[in-house]
Amino acid sequence: SYELTQPLSVSVALGQTARITCEENNIGSKNVHWYQQKPGQAPVLVIYKDNNRPSGIPERFSASNSGNTATLTIHRAQDGDEADYYCQVWDRLTGVFGGGTKLTVL
Amino acid sequence: QITLKESGPTLVKPTQTLTLTCTFSGFSLSSSGVAVGWIRQPPGKALEWLALLYWDDNERYSPSLKSRLTITKGTSKSQVVLTLTNVDPVDTATYYCAHRSTTVAGAFDYWGQGTLVVVSS
Repeated sequence: SYELTQPLSVSVALGQTARITCEENNIGSKNVHWYQQKPGQAPVLVIYKDNNRPSGIPERFSASNSGNTATLTIHRAQDGDEADYYCQVWDRLTGVFGGGTKLTVL
Repeated sequence: QITLKESGPTLVKPTQTLTLTCTFSGFSLSSSGVAVGWIRQPPGKALEWLALLYWDDNERYSPSLKSRLTITKGTSKSQVVLTLTNVDPVDTATYYCAHRSTTVAGAFDYWGQGTLVVVSS
């Protein structure tokens, strides 16, 4: 089965750049979507199809996808970016989420 | 403006069948490329995709739960119903429904607020 591996946690200093990875064999051949989830809230789509931002998502959020790794990058991290982040793909018409990464802004 | 809202029981006994309804507005499930999905999240754990219903009535299910899940259109054109049979305490989770569109390459761009379902005797 297709499984997406994310680090459990990532820390970033206020104003610096955070990078969250999502790994699986040949993930570069798939469209990767990224969601942000704050405590007690529903997930919010922040990146779709590798590196596209829905309206209302700051330009500070970007992403890349190549080979076996997709990466979500958050520039100039803010306190409000502290959340859980999930990557997601479709594998043979089946939805797959990564295990999630808790981002802490120090 | 697209909105979705989940409804259903908050407490279910083991072995019973859980039925959840997603009531939505702002889009039509008859529009080409549109789908409604269900995703759940056990307390403190990761998101888990469950099922998807396409505009053309095609259905897709999580392989691990396929034998227990059914997704259908509701009695109203603006509803999607998920049933999960033979529930167990491990099915305790917040259940979300979400809008999926080809406009965003198949991502879930709108989510309901979620509904917490506890499975306990």
